Amino acid sequence: EDQVTQSPEALRLQEGESSSLNCSYTVSGLRGLFWYRQDPGKGPEFLFTLYSAGEEKEKERLKATLTKKESFLHITAPKPEDSATYLCAVQGLSDYKLSFGAGTTVTVRA
Amino acid sequence: GAVVSQHPSRVICKSGTSVKIECRSLDFQATTMFWYRQFPKQSLMLMATSNEGSKATYEQGVEKDKFLINHASLTLSTLTVTSAHPEDSSFYICSARSASHNEQFFGPGTRLTVL
Repeated sequence: EDQVTQSPEALRLQEGESSSLNCSYTVSGLRGLFWYRQDPGKGPEFLFTLYSAGEEKEKERLKATLTKKESFLHITAPKPEDSATYLCAVQGLSDYKLSFGAGTTVTVRA
Repeated sequence: GAVVSQHPSRVICKSGTSVKIECRSLDFQATTMFWYRQFPKQSLMLMATSNEGSKATYEQGVEKDKFLINHASLTLSTLTVTSAHPEDSSFYICSARSASHNEQFFGPGTRLTVL
């Protein structure tokens, strides 16, 4: 069974204070690893897909990286509007289902 | 692109009634749609997977007769919560993927409250 563990559970940052979120995973065969952002009371918003170890993707202040066992989401110089819960999910080769981690709730103070 | 809508966004109903939630892909054809539920402070739990024109596949522990899923077209899937009870109160979210992408794009969610 696919497993995804995210850490930390919560992260409080000062505006401009860069940090990283971790997503550790086990899957029999990885089709893709996905990062989503979820605001309270809303559905997840797609951020990135990573397919192979060594791959990196960037979007504004966010950068996602992937190794064979984990992924990191780096937030550079965050702003209050980056406050959200960030979800990591893996997709195995057998089907297109996603297995989600519990998420990391990021709060950025001005 | 890749916009998914859900309707209604909120619904309050009495115990014993049935509630239908619609999920639409607005700008792409969704060969597969997924239904999730999410409890407060928890992550998404997959309930079922539906492919257009075929029966839904339910995850272990999800009652098929309780949560009826129909995926009649490439842009519409519906989830009907039958004979709803207070324990069915939750945030229900759908997602959709096209045949050419692995990514799932999510709807805004439906907050169901059963009194």
